Amino acid sequence: ETGVTQTPRHLVMGMTNKKSLKCEQHLGHNAMYWYKQSAKKPLELMFVYNFKEQTENNSVPSRFSPECPNSSHLFLHLHTLQPEDSALYLCASSQRTAETQYFGPGTRLLVL
Amino acid sequence: AQTVTQSQPEMSVQEAETVTLSCTYDTSESDYYLFWYKQPPSRQMILVIRQEAYKQQNATENRFSVNFQKAAKSFSLKISDSQLGDAAMYFCAYLSGGSNYKLTFGKGTLLTVNP
Repeated sequence: ETGVTQTPRHLVMGMTNKKSLKCEQHLGHNAMYWYKQSAKKPLELMFVYNFKEQTENNSVPSRFSPECPNSSHLFLHLHTLQPEDSALYLCASSQRTAETQYFGPGTRLLVL
Repeated sequence: AQTVTQSQPEMSVQEAETVTLSCTYDTSESDYYLFWYKQPPSRQMILVIRQEAYKQQNATENRFSVNFQKAAKSFSLKISDSQLGDAAMYFCAYLSGGSNYKLTFGKGTLLTVNP
């Protein structure tokens, strides 16, 4: 599946580091999403972008900063993370909001 | 708020047999979509099947089919002729058809396929 790609696939970072996650969709979609998947918890929606405009911030701490320069690319900038932020971060896209979402392979993040 | 409940944390099935995964949801909306996603050990979230609430006919995709009972708010997934590659975590998900675009997931059912 190459419709939605994410890099890096694995990331280990210290609490003082700054890193960025990248998502790219090749499906011509207009909406993109960031989800967090922690162990034994349902997927949590973090951010939604529709036509490059942020339309949802699901009470996410400011140490997570999204960026959507165009409809095909979505970034998640990370700084001063906590160990409890360790999780799988999934990116998804859809033609429009309220349409089927297609997911990338995820970035497994470990914060030490 | 919508909720999605998967009451079976784990299920197992013999290869070539049929298994049914359960899902119930709670909503006051009439326009919505329901999905089953699978997440194998690779962690890639893969769409299995989609059902529009306004359609009475149950969706099917090859060996995968659903039993959509709108009045009962039930949406089960049947996997026929189970294969080893079907082993994964299966998530039921709800999407509002209105301006709310939040995809609400259940906690998942871990399916094991025994050879």
